[in-house]
Amino acid sequence: AQTVTQSQPEMSVQEAETVTLSCTYDTSESDYYLFWYKQPPSRQMILVIRQEAYKQQNATENRFSVNFQKAAKSFSLKISDSQLGDAAMYFCAYRGGGGADGLTFGKGTHLIIQP
Amino acid sequence: NAGVTQTPKFQVLKTGQSMTLQCAQDMNHEYMSWYRQDPGMGLRLIHYSVGAGITDQGEVPNGYNVSRSTTEDFPLRLLSAAPSQTSVYFCASRGPFSPYRYTFGSGTRLTVV
Repeated sequence: AQTVTQSQPEMSVQEAETVTLSCTYDTSESDYYLFWYKQPPSRQMILVIRQEAYKQQNATENRFSVNFQKAAKSFSLKISDSQLGDAAMYFCAYRGGGGADGLTFGKGTHLIIQP
Repeated sequence: NAGVTQTPKFQVLKTGQSMTLQCAQDMNHEYMSWYRQDPGMGLRLIHYSVGAGITDQGEVPNGYNVSRSTTEDFPLRLLSAAPSQTSVYFCASRGPFSPYRYTFGSGTRLTVV
């Protein structure tokens, strides 16, 4: 079974600074997808960024980028120019590329933005 | 608005009672899944479906039943509620050609006393 580990229960960053959230995963599959989701206090699940395992280029979405290290099974999220609205829980998630469905989530990182 | 609708939003049950959490989507998505979210645990997959009539177990299926008679609906049944099933439940769906674009419902907060 696949596992996703987020080793930082909580992170704090000053507004406008850069922060990196860590995620490692374990899988025997070669084809899979990785995700970062944001969950504000409203409980809404918001897709921040995703990465296909077959793509070597790291995904980027505006201020959000990932460092995908396939051999190390590492998938970290970098948030540049942190804003107060970035404060939330962030979950790393995995989905295999086979016929099954559903996401495997890490336990999450609570991101605090200091004004 | 197109999306995933979960009902009810809140529910309190007594131990041993049964109930069904409803999940409906109007996007003609083939794939649907149920998760529970407990404090400090992230979301965990309960059951999923890859199409009408096809369901399978996820990470934590015990105590829950599902069926998928239509593309639109994917109800989650608790046959005999236990306090350990107190959680927030999320339903999600995605289309067959969108391997990464999941749409989540707003969740159901269930308390079993």
